[in-house]
Amino acid sequence: DIQMTQSPSSLSASVGDRVTITCRASQGIRNDLGWFQQKPGKAPKRLIYTASNLQSGVPSRFSGSGSGTEFTLTISNLQPEDFATYYCLQHNTYPLTFGGGTKVEIK
Amino acid sequence: QVQLQESGPGLLKPSQTLSLTCTVSGVSITSGSYYWSWIRQPAGKGLEWIGRIYPRGGTNYNPSLRSRVTMSVDTSKNQFSLKLSSVTAADTAVYFCVRLPAGKDVDYWGQGILVTVSS
Repeated sequence: DIQMTQSPSSLSASVGDRVTITCRASQGIRNDLGWFQQKPGKAPKRLIYTASNLQSGVPSRFSGSGSGTEFTLTISNLQPEDFATYYCLQHNTYPLTFGGGTKVEIK
Repeated sequence: QVQLQESGPGLLKPSQTLSLTCTVSGVSITSGSYYWSWIRQPAGKGLEWIGRIYPRGGTNYNPSLRSRVTMSVDTSKNQFSLKLSSVTAADTAVYFCVRLPAGKDVDYWGQGILVTVSS
């Protein structure tokens, strides 16, 4: 299985901050990676697909980059509704595997 | 608009078989190049992919669960299903049904259903 190591596991930030979350794959996955946001009691919501493509309807303050084994999700100008848990998901090789999650909390 | 809705028992005893159904609306389950999948999430923990099924034939299961998992499709009802045998407390989780476009990650999720395994 491809291991997805996501960091940090949690972070505290203020409204207006720039936040960066990283996922590292145990082997190369090209750009076969998505980023998801999950709020308590809800299903995850896709933000980014194929590493850097913004899902329709998602604010442009979210961006993704990377290829191969290292990927980042950046949230610029953090908003109150962005406080949530974020996951990466690789879909290059089965079984699909998720990162462990990053909880973004209010400082 | 594509919608997925999970249904099934919310409480099971150890050793029983978990059976969940996902009803798909807004698109035919056999249209396009879509796989249909299950993902689960224990309370306060991360996400685990269980497996996928392609209505025209073919399944892939997570090796960690393969010996206990069966997925099937009912095209007449536009549904797909999950069976997980010999459940234990470790199988307690919210189970999500999702759509997987071929070669891509998840684009639609159901709301999730909590399944608790307890004696």
